[in-house]
Parts: sequence; C-alpha cells; structure tokens
Amino acid sequence: DTGVSQDPRHKITKRGQNVTFRCDPISEHNRLYWYRQTLGQGPEFLTYFQNEAQLEKSRLLSDRFSAERPKGSFSTLEIQRTEQGDSAMYLCASSSQGLTGDRYNEQFFGPGTRLTVL
Amino acid sequence: GQQLNQSPQSMFIQEGEDVSMNCTSSSIFNTWLWYKQDPGEGPVLLIALYKAGELTSNGRLTAQFGITRKDSFLNISASIPSDVGIYFCAGPRWRGSQGNLIFGKGTKLSVKP
Repeated sequence: DTGVSQDPRHKITKRGQNVTFRCDPISEHNRLYWYRQTLGQGPEFLTYFQNEAQLEKSRLLSDRFSAERPKGSFSTLEIQRTEQGDSAMYLCASSSQGLTGDRYNEQFFGPGTRLTVL
Repeated sequence: GQQLNQSPQSMFIQEGEDVSMNCTSSSIFNTWLWYKQDPGEGPVLLIALYKAGELTSNGRLTAQFGITRKDSFLNISASIPSDVGIYFCAGPRWRGSQGNLIFGKGTKLSVKP
C-alpha cells in the first residue's frame, strides 16, 4: 500500500500525559500536513512542511503542540500535557507540486489517529 | 472569519436516486476540492476544480466550479449504498495558500430507512 500511513490508529491517554503520533507520507510527496478533526466538523489545519521546513502553523497549534519532519520524510506530532479538549482525530496528509506547479492543494489523507484524553 | 457553508447538512438517499449538494463562501476561491469521508477513516479526494465554470466528472460524480468563484456543486447520479458517508468541500484558506485548506462542515449522506 503506497498511501499515507499513520501510527497509532487509536490512542487513549490520561490528562497531563504526553503523546506522539507518526505519519508516513506518500513517498514521492514533498509536502506533509497535519489537521485536527472533532466530531461533526471538517478537518482544521494545524501545520505543514515542505521537505523538512515547517512553513506554516495555525494559531490552533498551541505551545503544547510540536511537529517535526527531520529528514523530510516521516513526521511526528507531539502533544505535551494533554487536556481533554485535545481529544480529536489527528489527520496527516501529503501532496506534491505536480507538473504545472498547481497541485499542492490536492492533498491525500491518511486514516488518522483518534486521540481520547481521559 | 472565512468559512465554507455546505448544504444540506444531511440527506437520506434511496438507491438509484440522484443527489445534489453545494458549498458556498463569502470570498472568492481559485480552487475547489471535494472529499468523501467514511466513519473512522481519513477523507478521500474525489474531484479537484481549478477554473470558474469548470465541470469535472469522476465516474458517477460530477462537480462544478461556480462562475462567481464563490460556490461549487457536487452531484452523484444513480446513488448506491457505498455512497453513504460525509462529503466535504474544501479550498485554500487564502489566495496563494499552498496547503492551508479550509473545509466545510460536511453533508452527511445516509440510506433512507
């Protein structure tokens, strides 16, 4: 399977604990995105990388959240001191520039990591 | 703030029926994307639109980029049970944004009881 993969698929943690999620993009894609989705809502943008550079961060990404893509391949999203409000589906997506340079918005999503904070 | 409004919020379908849904914005978009999401899974890209007035098909799905650039439409012809799910429209949050997508709240398709 050459799609976007995420690990773990489900994570249950207690409030105050740290959690880390991993995303492996489609291999030829140089852009990687993180989104958060709560029940009844569409995905909300958190941050994105082009290769290893983090180019944009949402205001949703508080200082408890940090994302890395150290070698321009897989990425990790860490949440420190989790709160109950962090419970959500965390989605990763990837995309490439395409031949004409206008295909970055065609993002392909992974299955997501569902986080439950007790 | 900028938001995408999807209509209807939910609808019931009977196998064989045609389905229509739309997405509107108060600001102009230069790209419209339509995604489908099944329970517990990530969204799957169905159709991408890049030009005002553009009409693009993907099997039984047809989407149009509205000429005002503030709306888009998705039609599903001859629906089948696997069409059930949540359909999202999305677009770049601002002109020139390459990656920061804004999504609507979705239109949920369910099977008519």
